[in-house]
Amino acid sequence: EVQLVESGGGLVQPGGSLRLSCAASGFTVSSNYMSWVRQAPGKGLEWVSVIYSGGSTYYADSVKGRFTISRHNSKNTLYLQMNSLRAEDTAVYYCARGSVATHNWFDPWGQGTLVTVSS
Amino acid sequence: EIVLTQSPATLSLSPGERATLSCRASQSVSSYLAWYQQKPGQAPRLLIYDASNRATGIPARFSGSGSGTDFTLTISSLEPEDFAVYYCQQRSNWPPHYSFGQGTKLEIK
Repeated sequence: EVQLVESGGGLVQPGGSLRLSCAASGFTVSSNYMSWVRQAPGKGLEWVSVIYSGGSTYYADSVKGRFTISRHNSKNTLYLQMNSLRAEDTAVYYCARGSVATHNWFDPWGQGTLVTVSS
Repeated sequence: EIVLTQSPATLSLSPGERATLSCRASQSVSSYLAWYQQKPGQAPRLLIYDASNRATGIPARFSGSGSGTDFTLTISSLEPEDFAVYYCQQRSNWPPHYSFGQGTKLEIK
C-alpha cells in the first residue's frame, strides 16, 4: 500500500526552527517528485516546496531562503527544515507525491502534521 | 504565476441535486488541471486529474470537463458524503510552481 506519514510538528517560538519528516512506504521517495503543501487554520491549500527525482529543489516565494526540502534515500523519508519561523507559517503541513508520469498532481497525501508558531 | 479562481465560494444544495463547481485559470493550462475533495480534519483526496480523468476509486457521479482556462467539476447526484470543500490545482513547469484555487465549500441546504 502506498502511504505517507508525517511527523515532527509542534509548538515553536517565532524565529525558531523545526524539522518535519515524511516517511513513505509502498514506493521509493527518490524516484518521485515529492512536495510539501500547507494549510493555515481555516484557510486553503498552499504549495510550499518540491524536490525532483533528480534532486533539484524549488520553493514558494513565501518560504524561500528559510525552508529547505531534502530526502534520505536509505530511510525513504522526505524532510522539511524550517528556520526563522513566523506566525504566518502556522499550518498543517502535508507531504504529497507528484503523479508518477507527469508530476502534475498530488497522490497520495499524508495525514498532515500541525506546526504552531507562537510565543 | 498562474492564478486559479474558483466559484462559487459556497454552494448550498440538497442530497440528490446536481452540483456544478467552476475553476478559471488566469492563463491557459491546457488540460493539466486536477480536483481534490477535502473533508474536515482530513487530507485532500485526488478526485480528477488531467481535467477529466477520475482517480482510482472515485465514483462515476464525479466528472470533470474543460480545457484552456475554464474547467468544471460536476457531481451528478449529491450523496451525503459529498458535502466537503473542493479545490482545483495546476502545475507550472517554469518556474516550477503549483497553484491551488481558493476552494468551494459544498454545504447541505
